[in-house]
Amino acid sequence: DTGVSQNPRHKITKRGQNVTFRCDPISEHNRLYWYRQTLGQGPEFLTYFQNEAQLEKSRLLSDRFSAERPKGSFSTLEIQRTEQGDSAMYLCASSPRQGEGYTFGSGTRLTVV
Amino acid sequence: QKEVEQNSGPLSVPEGAIASLNCTYSDRGSQSFFWYRQYSGKSPELIMFIYSNGDKEDGRFTAQLNKASQYVSLLIRDSQPSDSATYLCAASGGSYIPTFGRGTSLIVHP
Repeated sequence: DTGVSQNPRHKITKRGQNVTFRCDPISEHNRLYWYRQTLGQGPEFLTYFQNEAQLEKSRLLSDRFSAERPKGSFSTLEIQRTEQGDSAMYLCASSPRQGEGYTFGSGTRLTVV
Repeated sequence: QKEVEQNSGPLSVPEGAIASLNCTYSDRGSQSFFWYRQYSGKSPELIMFIYSNGDKEDGRFTAQLNKASQYVSLLIRDSQPSDSATYLCAASGGSYIPTFGRGTSLIVHP
């Protein structure tokens, strides 16, 4: 396993369209996180899974956002009715155990035009 | 609200010098602290993490933690131009969800 994989790397979409991103964590990592990062800011927490259970969601995650992690393996993040303010880098990270280092994927850069 | 504060910089140091990066956190329940390096356009890369008060060394990097002062720092010895990047500090507590600062930009000039 070579690390956390995210697809696609880049996504350009028109305002109002739906988009879906995928994250494949490191195989033995049961904890998976989604973050969003805009220019000049640190990563902002969106949501967190332990195995298949979604344990916490940020208030940043409006009802247009939904995330899943079926069978505790890969995860998807869907944004419905995209807005220009959704343009950002969406980062996925995974972790093997409580409090240990979090490994990030390469991210998906979303541009809403 | 849990906050992690960092000076955005840029911090400019000459090659070979020690770069000192600082971070404060608001949540006294924070237990684990992380330093990440992020090159422009890339994702964050973990440098090291620290749990206990005191110093932790890994090669040219030393993390320092003072829980009483709610302060974390990262020292980079013998700084190289390739160390030029944004350094992100993160803290996590009982929820094991790290909160990140906005990062400090480091420039190492030859």
